[in-house]
Amino acid sequence: QVQLVQSGGEVKKPGASVKVSCKASGYSFTNYGIIWVRQAPGQGLEWMGWISGYNDNTDYAQKFQGRVTMTRDTSTSTAFMDLRSLTSDDTAVYYCARWATLVRSDAFDIWGQGTVVIVSS
Amino acid sequence: DIQMTQSPSSLSASVGDRVTITCRSSQTISKSLNWYQQKPGKAPKLLIYGASRLQSGVPSRFSGSGSGTDFTLTINSLQPEDFATYYCQQSYTSWTFGQGTTVEIK
Repeated sequence: QVQLVQSGGEVKKPGASVKVSCKASGYSFTNYGIIWVRQAPGQGLEWMGWISGYNDNTDYAQKFQGRVTMTRDTSTSTAFMDLRSLTSDDTAVYYCARWATLVRSDAFDIWGQGTVVIVSS
Repeated sequence: DIQMTQSPSSLSASVGDRVTITCRSSQTISKSLNWYQQKPGKAPKLLIYGASRLQSGVPSRFSGSGSGTDFTLTINSLQPEDFATYYCQQSYTSWTFGQGTTVEIK
């Protein structure tokens, strides 16, 4: 079935980096983009960025520009999100999702299970 | 950036009730509006896209309406599994989520 499976939880110290992976299966990886969304404890959803399924084009939310890099490996159908210079404010669940173009809109139709990232000294 | 504002932030309802959640965008977004449902500890799930189109597999008691800047999610005959948090999201320019509306059991 169509699914996205993310890497396991991480505990990082302030100032470190974290790299989260998102492995796609059940569909053609290059036909769909991947987006990354995070959710801090008890908070709402925050879009972080997007990477094209067709090429390596990316679009990052202004808040994360300069601190996040999104890449992909088409040979393994895996997307990656690398976040640097972590602070406690980056403690959150990080989700990847498939970006699909639909009628009159585009939306995130398949989601990964989420990866917990804890930043603590 | 386009800002999305949902109301109410939370509501209490009973099984069988009709529930309405509204979402307003800071600028016109045509019908580029999606709704998601999220249950505690789970990933969000796409319910409605293009303001009013039901995602495959979503029960027909969910419906969406609106265009421009004002949108509505309606749940007819609320079921026990519908108690969750609902988010609107614009896809007109990049993507922005509303702050969420939690539907609780009365």
